[in-house]
Amino acid sequence: QKEVEQDPGPLSVPEGAIVSLNCTYSNSAFQYFMWYRQYSRKGPELLMYTYSSGNKEDGRFTAQVDKSSKYISLFIRDSQPSDSATYLCAMGGSEKLVFGKGTKLTVNP
Amino acid sequence: GAVVSQHPSWVICKSGTSVKIECRSLDFQATTMFWYRQFPKQSLMLMATSNEGSKATYEQGVEKDKFLINHASLTLSTLTVTSAHPEDSSFYICSARELAGDSYNEQFFGPGTRLTVL
Repeated sequence: QKEVEQDPGPLSVPEGAIVSLNCTYSNSAFQYFMWYRQYSRKGPELLMYTYSSGNKEDGRFTAQVDKSSKYISLFIRDSQPSDSATYLCAMGGSEKLVFGKGTKLTVNP
Repeated sequence: GAVVSQHPSWVICKSGTSVKIECRSLDFQATTMFWYRQFPKQSLMLMATSNEGSKATYEQGVEKDKFLINHASLTLSTLTVTSAHPEDSSFYICSARELAGDSYNEQFFGPGTRLTVL
């Protein structure tokens, strides 16, 4: 079993839709959970970061962590064409990060 | 926000040559830098962790004699792909972190370097 599993998609939604992205993990030692957005041929940029179970909201983005189920989610409300990118979950301790494969999202106008 | 640059952004080289990629933290001092490799439609795979002034720690399966990492200053790390072959063609991304320790410190990613070996 891989440490981090993420459905690569692709996922295509109409503009304005709510998008749900998910990752599961197997290592209970992971303490920090991140979501990165990566545009084609660019480096990842951090969207959301959390270190505890529960929800964290930032504008149109909500990150959820359920440590008991080893499951994390990213919700995007009122999705925009500019949200079209690959979204990678990442998690780890104080040192290394382990990344999911990324989910390619396309928001159609 | 913190900015990390990489140079070059893309490089094409002949098989058997060596290629050096630079990673710089522009507005902060990076005690730790990470080097990742990303193949098409794949995740970022950590290659090595580099702390300023000490030898890099390589992940299992990464040849340290092939991928030479130098982190000589708090703002610069270099990755040299020695005797590159077509299978080394990939997107190489560095990230930099300001502080080490028990608490999480965000990794800031560079824009990546696309290497194509002919």
